[in-house]
Amino acid sequence: DAGVIQSPRHEVTEMGQEVTLRCKPISGHDYLFWYRQTMMRGLELLIYFNNNVPIDDSGMPEDRFSAKMPNASFSTLKIQPSEPRDSAVYFCASSLNRVHGGYTFGSGTRLTVV
Amino acid sequence: GESVGLHLPTLSVQEGDNSIINCAYSNSASDYFIWYKQESGKGPQFIIDIRSNMDKRQGQRVTVLLNKTVKHLSLQIAATQPGDSAVYFCAGLYSGGSNYKLTFGKGTLLTVNP
Repeated sequence: DAGVIQSPRHEVTEMGQEVTLRCKPISGHDYLFWYRQTMMRGLELLIYFNNNVPIDDSGMPEDRFSAKMPNASFSTLKIQPSEPRDSAVYFCASSLNRVHGGYTFGSGTRLTVV
Repeated sequence: GESVGLHLPTLSVQEGDNSIINCAYSNSASDYFIWYKQESGKGPQFIIDIRSNMDKRQGQRVTVLLNKTVKHLSLQIAATQPGDSAVYFCAGLYSGGSNYKLTFGKGTLLTVNP
């Protein structure tokens, strides 16, 4: 199994531009999570899906952020328009079920907004 | 509240010594805890978990202790090796009814000196 796959690994964009981060979860995992990591705030849950349905998006910072999961093998996190304070590492994780809470994380996307 | 915190931001040990990383939590309703290891440039990696009906669980060179009375858990690493150098996170699962999401602490940086 290739694990959770995220792309791109690095993204540098100018303020105001649209940014799309992509994630392919582990096949068969019912849960998908998007986290943001910064030095100041640590790992923050942005949103999670169960069977492709968004369950909790209370961590999404503001309307500039949106996430979709059109099918079981793909999810996107979009920021439009991007701002310098969005610079962070964004992780996608997936989990088989809620009984075992061991998430498998991807390698992350390092986003820099200049 | 749903906070998971750490006592120390950094820990430095000599190779071969045992390491103890501590974590405190505030929500007594939490029923599941996980320790993650994050190496530079990678996503968090599952190490070991423990449920609230247990007070100790052992893995390979790692032991997690849970003290529900004082809402504290710790990760013990035996015979610490240079490859153990990483940031370690504790995470708590607050089932909160239909919700299922891990809340992470800020992390402890473990440095192993040769």
